[in-house]
Amino acid sequence: DVKVTQSSRYLVKRTGEKVFLECVQDMDHENMFWYRQDPGLGLRLIYFSYDVKMKEKGDIPEGYSVSREKKERFSLILESASTNQTSMYLCASSLPSLTDTQYFGPGTRLTVL
Amino acid sequence: GESVGLHLPTLSVQEGDNSIINCAYSNSASDYFIWYKQESGKGPQFIIDIRSNMDKRQGQRVTVLLNKTVKHLSLQIAATQPGDSAVYFCAENSGGSNYKLTFGKGTLLTVNP
Repeated sequence: DVKVTQSSRYLVKRTGEKVFLECVQDMDHENMFWYRQDPGLGLRLIYFSYDVKMKEKGDIPEGYSVSREKKERFSLILESASTNQTSMYLCASSLPSLTDTQYFGPGTRLTVL
Repeated sequence: GESVGLHLPTLSVQEGDNSIINCAYSNSASDYFIWYKQESGKGPQFIIDIRSNMDKRQGQRVTVLLNKTVKHLSLQIAATQPGDSAVYFCAENSGGSNYKLTFGKGTLLTVNP
């Protein structure tokens, strides 16, 4: 089975803090993704990576950066957390084909006070 | 741009009945579709997928139907069980080069015992 794990299920941070969200997959997938999920807005893509050290902006990259130093690990960084970044963050991974399913982690619920 | 939507935001059924969840898409170039199930507090879980060269695909108790003429996708769940209660998302890959999935907002399925 594909396994995607995220470093924290729940996280509480203060405005202005630097926040790291970690994601690890064990299926040797080339593609990895970060989404945020908000009520009424569905899943929105923040960033994705199709190879080590490669990244592309998604629909809402502002206020976020990412790092992919190893194939199995994809990190999402909030340089200076703000209250409007309170959300559920979901990581996903997939094989490189455009018709390969994305498999999701359990999510990290981040609250920024 | 593309959009993926759902006809019904909520669906309530009796245990043992069949459930049908609908999804409309607007991008005729979309060539791959996925249904996900998301239980409360968890990440989306892959249920079934279908490619645009098919109009029907069956899994265990689930069937996905694709009608390209009217750009409509449906998920049928046979003999619905309480464990099927969740939010169901459809997603489409428009076949572009950026591996992006476009997600619908979701339908909440509630199964009454």
